[in-house]
Amino acid sequence: LAKTTQPISMDSYEGQEVNITCSHNNIATNDYITWYQQFPSQGPRFIIQGYKTKVTNEVASLFIPADRKSSTLSLPRVSLSDTAVYYCLVAPSGGSYIPTFGRGTSLIVHP
Amino acid sequence: KAGVTQTPRYLIKTRGQQVTLSCSPISGHRSVSWYQQTPGQGLQFLFEYFSETQRNKGNFPGRFSGRQFSNSRSEMNVSTLELGDSALYLCASSVRDSRVETQYFGPGTRLLVL
Repeated sequence: LAKTTQPISMDSYEGQEVNITCSHNNIATNDYITWYQQFPSQGPRFIIQGYKTKVTNEVASLFIPADRKSSTLSLPRVSLSDTAVYYCLVAPSGGSYIPTFGRGTSLIVHP
Repeated sequence: KAGVTQTPRYLIKTRGQQVTLSCSPISGHRSVSWYQQTPGQGLQFLFEYFSETQRNKGNFPGRFSGRQFSNSRSEMNVSTLELGDSALYLCASSVRDSRVETQYFGPGTRLLVL
């Protein structure tokens, strides 16, 4: 399984764009990259998932370079409610596997 | 669609007791995974059930067990509780399609062992 490395914490201000990068140097060919958001005392919430290049949905964008050894979650114009822990998960698209979440990135958005 | 539901939401037990937690997955989801989350260890995988069979198991002692019923609902049991079992227990369900498997988490059960 690909091990992931993320910054422990990040600070930002309302209205700014936030980019959180996750390193996964030994990602396998059939691995997908998924990002989750978690608020205190709640379960993680799916944000976005991708395999390569760029994926965009209504809340975020995910940038994955050609070598796929890293990925960047981009949150446009963050608000106070985006203060949360963000996890990057790399896992295969099918078959048996044990999900391994890293420690996540604690994002604090300031007024 | 209703999300993943977990019961109870909060629980207080004493050392040595046992506890059973319940999880109802999203309708149509056949895979249910359980996680333990603590400030010290983060989010750790306990086990996964698919079609009533345990498919994967994390590195937890045998005191932690689970099962899945024919309607995909799942329960996990912890016997002989220890203080260190105090944690947020999360259940996640997923549907397998041909390409990706995204997990949808419930709100969790907060267990406090005294």
